[in-house]
Amino acid sequence: NAGVTQTPKFQVLKTGQSMTLQCAQDMNHEYMSWYRQDPGMGLRLIHYSVGAGITDQGEVPNGYNVSRSTTEDFPLRLLSAAPSQTSVYFCASTSMGQSTETQYFGPGTRLLVL
Amino acid sequence: ILNVEQSPQSLHVQEGDSTNFTCSFPSSNFYALHWYRWETAKSPEALFVMTLNGDEKKKGRISATLNTKEGYSYLYIKGSQPEDSATYLCAFIGYSTLTFGKGTMLLVSP
Repeated sequence: NAGVTQTPKFQVLKTGQSMTLQCAQDMNHEYMSWYRQDPGMGLRLIHYSVGAGITDQGEVPNGYNVSRSTTEDFPLRLLSAAPSQTSVYFCASTSMGQSTETQYFGPGTRLLVL
Repeated sequence: ILNVEQSPQSLHVQEGDSTNFTCSFPSSNFYALHWYRWETAKSPEALFVMTLNGDEKKKGRISATLNTKEGYSYLYIKGSQPEDSATYLCAFIGYSTLTFGKGTMLLVSP
């Protein structure tokens, strides 16, 4: 199993540009989520999904869209990038929601918005 | 937004020292507590899943305890080694929420 994969690993954007961060998992996990990690802030939940066709907002959803058309994929879209979205983004998945199963994290995408 | 606090924020110890840090969380609507180890430039990796009050888990030199009634968990590292240097995150899982603490950054000097 490849586990949780993320692409790209690093991206530079100009303010106002759009892009999609890709996340895929091959473990048949129902639950997938996106976090951003900023210095001194820990991991903050952006959006999450409990299954194909179902998404919901986390703690910091503004400026981001998600969709879950398949169990495997959970892309994160930035429609109009802002410097405040400069961060490291982690995708995670787990098999039984948030309960007794821990989350598996992808390697992260480092995003710089100029 | 739930309040999940970790202390201390950072810790610098010498090789061989034993150390511990704390994760505080809401004592209501508790479902589980996770501990993760997060090395620089890598992804967080799970250490422990704790669900029952009084739970005690151990993996090598690292152990954790859980008190759900008072809302805290301790992580202990016995005889710290330089390779233990990492950020240790806890995550509180409620009935419909998952909230990470900001982490404790541990540096172990040889």
